[in-house]
Amino acid sequence: DTEVTQTPKHLVMGMTNKKSLKCEQHMGHRAMYWYKQKAKKPPELMFVYSYEKLSINESVPSRFSPECPNSSLLNLHLHALQPEDSALYLCASSQRRIGTSTDTQYFGPGTRLTVL
Amino acid sequence: DQQVKQNSPSLSVQEGRISILNCDYTNSMFDYFLWYKKYPAEGPTFLISISSIKDKNEDGRFTVFLNKSAKHLSLHIVPSQPGDSAVYFCAASDSNTDKLIFGTGTRLQVFP
Repeated sequence: DTEVTQTPKHLVMGMTNKKSLKCEQHMGHRAMYWYKQKAKKPPELMFVYSYEKLSINESVPSRFSPECPNSSLLNLHLHALQPEDSALYLCASSQRRIGTSTDTQYFGPGTRLTVL
Repeated sequence: DQQVKQNSPSLSVQEGRISILNCDYTNSMFDYFLWYKKYPAEGPTFLISISSIKDKNEDGRFTVFLNKSAKHLSLHIVPSQPGDSAVYFCAASDSNTDKLIFGTGTRLQVFP
């Protein structure tokens, strides 16, 4: 089973709203990721959690706030977003086996976010 | 600086023939390479991968070839099927970071 689930599938929010995106995996993976993908572009890494600790923040604006409550869950809290933040937000997970180079990331279906 | 490049934005292949998608990289520290398939408004689906200690990996209709000296990898799909029509991303990582670097993607169309 290589399933990563994301909710909601679609989200429309105003610039003053606060919302959260959720991601869940039950594969025992110890690394989880948030990516942003705009149309006709490759996914861009936003955040990485490794063993529930934030290991990478790719200079993402503070209006995006990640949270990893436990090894199976990953949230992305959104506040005061801009219309240009509209995109497909993808969650991924991987085993994160220390000392190995073969760490495959498995992606969820994404949340399509529209900021009005 | 685009460390992973897919120079062909699109490729059109007849059903039953071979599809060859190419990818070039610049960072010699990359030691693991992956191919993902993506349909519109969906997440990327993992297809096949190859470690830098190998030069070929095969899984059913999909074969990935790695030429480390040329910093080049390719994905062969044979025979191609209409259901293979999608955007294909190659991606690369090195074991020292958690980052996966994606290429810009190649849109494959398989026509009957």
